[in-house]
Amino acid sequence: GENVEQHPSTLSVQEGDSAVIKCTYSDSASNYFPWYKQELGKRPQLIIDIRSNVGEKKDQRIAVTLNKTAKHFSLHITETQPEDSAVYFCAAREQGGKLIFGQGTELSVKP
Amino acid sequence: NAGVTQTPKFRVLKTGQSMTLLCAQDMNHEYMYWYRQDPGMGLRLIHYSVGEGTTAKGEVPDGYNVSRLKKQNFLLGLESAAPSQTSVYFCASARTGFGAGRYSNQPQHFGDGTRLSIL
Repeated sequence: GENVEQHPSTLSVQEGDSAVIKCTYSDSASNYFPWYKQELGKRPQLIIDIRSNVGEKKDQRIAVTLNKTAKHFSLHITETQPEDSAVYFCAAREQGGKLIFGQGTELSVKP
Repeated sequence: NAGVTQTPKFRVLKTGQSMTLLCAQDMNHEYMYWYRQDPGMGLRLIHYSVGEGTTAKGEVPDGYNVSRLKKQNFLLGLESAAPSQTSVYFCASARTGFGAGRYSNQPQHFGDGTRLSIL
């Protein structure tokens, strides 16, 4: 089955800097890779996703890149703001429907 | 639309008691999932369902049972609660993908979670 590894577990940046979170997956048949943001005490919220036929996707200050050969994908947040502080999760979906999550990255953006 | 609704929101149980968590979605989604979230462990898949009447095991299924008798509902049962099952439980749903990878590439929608404590 699928296994997703996420790094780093914690990340602290200054406001305005960029943040990068990286994930690797094990199942080469996985074809959908979402990223979720979770604020304290709240539900995970989808912020961006990418499908296996695409190498990069951007939405304003957020971008995701996918390298299928190396089986890794990354979340890039530019011009970080204090409200970006949260826990971020990557995930990979197997062809059979299972969505497996990484362990999470706690991002702290210091004003 | 309410989206994904979980009941109850909070519950305290004694070891050995049983209970059922209910997840209901009004988006006509085929797929439904139950996760547990523990500090430092992320979201771990307990069981999931790809359609009415079907269920499958996830990463951590032991000690839990599920049923999907109606498309809109996915029930998670604890037959004999243990302190190790203290956690926050999230339900999620997703619709069928189209094209290559029938079961893939559609985002999940999460409920607000159920905080369960077992003493």
